[in-house]
Formats: sequence, C-alpha cells, structure tokens
Amino acid sequence: DAKTTQPPSMDCAEGRAANLPCNHSTISGNEYVYWYRQIHSQGPQYIIHGLKNNETNEMASLIITEDRKSSTLILPHATLRDTAVYYCIVRGGSQGNLIFGKGTKLSVKP
Amino acid sequence: EAQVTQNPRYLITVTGKKLTVTCSQNMNHEYMSWYRQDPGLGLRQIYYSMNVEVTDKGDVPEGYKVSRKEKRNFPLILESPSPNQTSLYFCASSTNRLNYGYTFGSGTRLTVV
Repeated sequence: DAKTTQPPSMDCAEGRAANLPCNHSTISGNEYVYWYRQIHSQGPQYIIHGLKNNETNEMASLIITEDRKSSTLILPHATLRDTAVYYCIVRGGSQGNLIFGKGTKLSVKP
Repeated sequence: EAQVTQNPRYLITVTGKKLTVTCSQNMNHEYMSWYRQDPGLGLRQIYYSMNVEVTDKGDVPEGYKVSRKEKRNFPLILESPSPNQTSLYFCASSTNRLNYGYTFGSGTRLTVV
C-alpha cells in the first residue's frame, strides 16, 4: 500500500473551513484514499473515501488531484467537536488492510 | 444500530493470567481486525480475518491469538499476558470490498501488571 504524508498538526478557527492536506505520490490505480478521525481515545471513525472523483457526504468533502498524488479533506464549518487526529490512508492490494500513519492533529479553537 | 462491540472496556490483570477480549459485530461483515494503540507508535494491526476460519497476522502478532469460528465474533486471546501488552485495543469490521469503510469498536484499555 502507498505511503501517505500529512502535517503533524493544524489549527482552525471555529466556524471556518478546515482543509487537511495529504500527499500520496506513490498511489497506484486501484488504491482508494480513505480518511478517518480519532477523537481522544475513542475508536477511529470513518469519514469519507474516494478513488478518482471528488466526494462529499454529510461530514466532509474530499478533493483528489487529477494525478491522484495528493488529496484534501475539507470540513466546511469546523466545530470544537471536530478536534481530533485525522488519518489519511491509502487502501488497496489483495487484503486491503488499513495501515495507519501518525495523522494530523487538528485543533479547532473558539 | 450497526456496531462493533468490545468487552471489557477496561481490564487490569496480572502477568501470565490468560485473558480474552471479545469482539462482536452485527453487520454481517466478512472482514474483522484487531489493532493496538500505544503512545508514539500509533495504531498497529495485530491480526485480521477475511472470513470465517480465515485469519492472518498483521504487523505485531507476537503474544496474541485469534479465532474466527463465527462470522460475527473475533476474540483476541492473550495466553500469557506481559506488561508490554499494556495498551489500548480496537476491533474493527468491514466488508471485503475496497470501497467500504471500517467500523471500529469503542476500545479496550488493558493494563498488565
């Protein structure tokens, strides 16, 4: 599975959009980009995933570049409850296991 | 409600005393997995199972056993726990499709003294 690179931490003002970047330059054609988050020591929570096209759901939007080498997770109106560690994961291969990196610690501030 | 249930949530035990952490899912998922999370090391996969009677090692399987006799259950067994297995454990389930997210349990915080 391809490796991902994320900034270790980011801050965002409450009510503003949070844009979390992820680089995955070695991604291959059949690998999906997944985003999860973990609030404190709770179980990781699935947010969104995509292959080539941009995706949106009730939680977030995922923007994937045309060459698929990077992506951005967008939380349109961040709240204090969005403070968490966000993991960008590339998933593929025969088993499709989720391999977690260190993620980005997002702090949403009042 | 679709969920992954782990028990117990907290456990303190002594070195060498066999224990089992249970994991059950109600979504008819084929795939189940165990992770441990330690400060500075992140989430690491212990074992996974693609379906009933099919299990395989993850990145850190030493000291653990698993079984998958039924689709819904995937217990994690520590035959002889040691202090270095003190950790936060998560169970997860999913379908075997690559375009489907994992559902995680709430975690089991294990302390081995």
